[in-house]
Amino acid sequence: AQTVTQSQPEMSVQEAETVTLSCTYDTSESDYYLFWYKQPPSRQMILVIRQEAYKQQNATENRFSVNFQKAAKSFSLKISDSQLGDAAMYFCAYNGADSNYQLIWGAGTKLIIKP
Amino acid sequence: DADVTQTPRNRITKTGKRIMLECSQTKGHDRMYWYRQDPGLGLRLIYYSFDVKDINKGEISDGYSVSRQAQAKFSLSLESAIPNQTALYFCATSGLAGTAGELFFGEGSRLTVL
Repeated sequence: AQTVTQSQPEMSVQEAETVTLSCTYDTSESDYYLFWYKQPPSRQMILVIRQEAYKQQNATENRFSVNFQKAAKSFSLKISDSQLGDAAMYFCAYNGADSNYQLIWGAGTKLIIKP
Repeated sequence: DADVTQTPRNRITKTGKRIMLECSQTKGHDRMYWYRQDPGLGLRLIYYSFDVKDINKGEISDGYSVSRQAQAKFSLSLESAIPNQTALYFCATSGLAGTAGELFFGEGSRLTVL
């Protein structure tokens, strides 16, 4: 079965510093999508960034970027210039033919921002 | 107003009671989903619907049922609630087929079964 692993239950970073959240996944597909979602204390899940597997270029959205290593099946999220509003749970998710096009979610990483 | 609205936001009930969680959306999406979130487990798919006449079981459908009353409405029912159904429940919608579709979530319904 497809799995998505987030090995860091909790991470902390000083405000304005950079932090990287890890995610690995398991698949035999060559074409799929990977996502990072943010869940702030308000509970609502919000898409942060999306990566298409067939694109070699790493996706970037303002202060958020990914390091996509297809061969290693690794998809880490880098947050630059961390802000207090970045404090949240972050979930990595996979979507591919082998998951019947339904999202498979990691367990999440709690990000704490230290002022 | 929120694009995806869930009611109730919080509910405490007793074992054996019937519970309905409701979801409505104004995004015009055909695809709707119900997820369950438990600490340390991420989100797990309960049921999903690609249109009014299409309902599919997800990873953990046992003990749950759904109804797609209209394109905009998708309800989740627990016929006889049990304590291990205590969780945070999310409704989500998607407008795209295949793998690229972003999910749009409601604010969640926290259910406690005593």
